Amino acid sequence: NAGVTQTPKFRVLKTGQSMTLLCAQDMNHEYMYWYRQDPGMGLRLIHYSVGEGTTAKGEVPDGYNVSRLKKQNFLLGLESAAPSQTSVYFCASSYSVHATNEKLFFGSGTQLSVL
Amino acid sequence: GENVEQHPSTLSVQEGDSAVIKCTYSDSASNYFPWYKQELGKRPQLIIDIRSNVGEKKDQRIAVTLNKTAKHFSLHITETQPEDSAVYFCAASIGAAGNKLTFGGGTRVLVKP
Repeated sequence: NAGVTQTPKFRVLKTGQSMTLLCAQDMNHEYMYWYRQDPGMGLRLIHYSVGEGTTAKGEVPDGYNVSRLKKQNFLLGLESAAPSQTSVYFCASSYSVHATNEKLFFGSGTQLSVL
Repeated sequence: GENVEQHPSTLSVQEGDSAVIKCTYSDSASNYFPWYKQELGKRPQLIIDIRSNVGEKKDQRIAVTLNKTAKHFSLHITETQPEDSAVYFCAASIGAAGNKLTFGGGTRVLVKP
């Protein structure tokens, strides 16, 4: 049981380049999330999904797109990277909004630098 | 929307002393307050949470208190140990769904031996 797996762990992009971050979970969780972590700003929600085939915007969605074609996978895309997107990105999952314990399970993070 | 303020941003304590981190929230409807710990280079992990129907919760050396009237909640770590060194995040939400969570800015705790 690997939990939540993110790839890649590190990436350097030039301004204007595109990339996709992959998140996979093997816990059969319904909910999946993408956060970015910046110094002093905590974790901010970019996009989330409440189930296969559904996505929704979070607090800071601009410049990002997501897809959830399979229940276990949640992809985060940057179509045209900007220096402001330099950050650490975390994927997370949780069982269900109806569960009594909504513990978030995080991936190990992706350090992204946009030059 | 919800706004969560966390203080202090950094905290240095001597091993064996206590550490206290405080958070305030803006939305009186918030009813779920988790705390996550992130060790250096690692992923955040839930260490304790509290719901609005209780005022305090303990788990070994950590405890969380909630004051709904004042809209603030605190994390208390007693008898600190070097492995308590980490960044701690508080969060608040209406309901417990992850998409409703608003995180504080984090507190970097350093436990000096």
